[in-house]
Amino acid sequence: NAGVTQTPKFRVLKTGQSMTLLCAQDMNHEYMYWYRQDPGMGLRLIHYSVGEGTTAKGEVPDGYNVSRLKKQNFLLGLESAAPSQTSVYFCASSNLGSRGDTQYFGPGTRLTVL
Amino acid sequence: ILNVEQSPQSLHVQEGDSTNFTCSFPSSNFYALHWYRWETAKSPEALFVMTLNGDEKKKGRISATLNTKEGYSYLYIKGSQPEDSATYLCACDMDTGRRALTFGSGTRLQVQP
Repeated sequence: NAGVTQTPKFRVLKTGQSMTLLCAQDMNHEYMYWYRQDPGMGLRLIHYSVGEGTTAKGEVPDGYNVSRLKKQNFLLGLESAAPSQTSVYFCASSNLGSRGDTQYFGPGTRLTVL
Repeated sequence: ILNVEQSPQSLHVQEGDSTNFTCSFPSSNFYALHWYRWETAKSPEALFVMTLNGDEKKKGRISATLNTKEGYSYLYIKGSQPEDSATYLCACDMDTGRRALTFGSGTRLQVQP
């Protein structure tokens, strides 16, 4: 099993450009999450999904959109990138949601917006 | 907004020292407390999940305790080794209807050989 994978690993964008980050998991997990990690701020939840075809907002959803068309994939989109979105993005998945269930993390995507 | 606080922010110890750090969280609507270990340039990895007041978990030299009445958890490392150097994250699952964790900002541990 590959676990949770993320593509790309690194990306540099100019302000106003758009891009999509892909998260894939092969553990048949129902729940998937997108976090951003900024210095001194830990992991902040952007959006999450409780199953195929569902999405929900997290703590910091503004400027991002997500889709979960297939159970194994969770896409994070930036329609018009801003320098404030420079961050490291982590995807995670879990089987039962956060009800005492471990989240498994991907390796992260480092995004720089110039 | 839930406040999950971790202290200290960073810690430098010598090899062989034992150390501990704290995670505090709102005690109402508590469901579960998670600890993760996060090495630089890697993904966070789960250490423990605890749900009951008084829970204690242990994995090798690392152990954790949980006090849900007063809203805190301790993580202990006995006889720290350089390979223990990492950021230790705690995350709280509160019974708010949102099936997601709220993470603290982490304690960065550096163990000097």
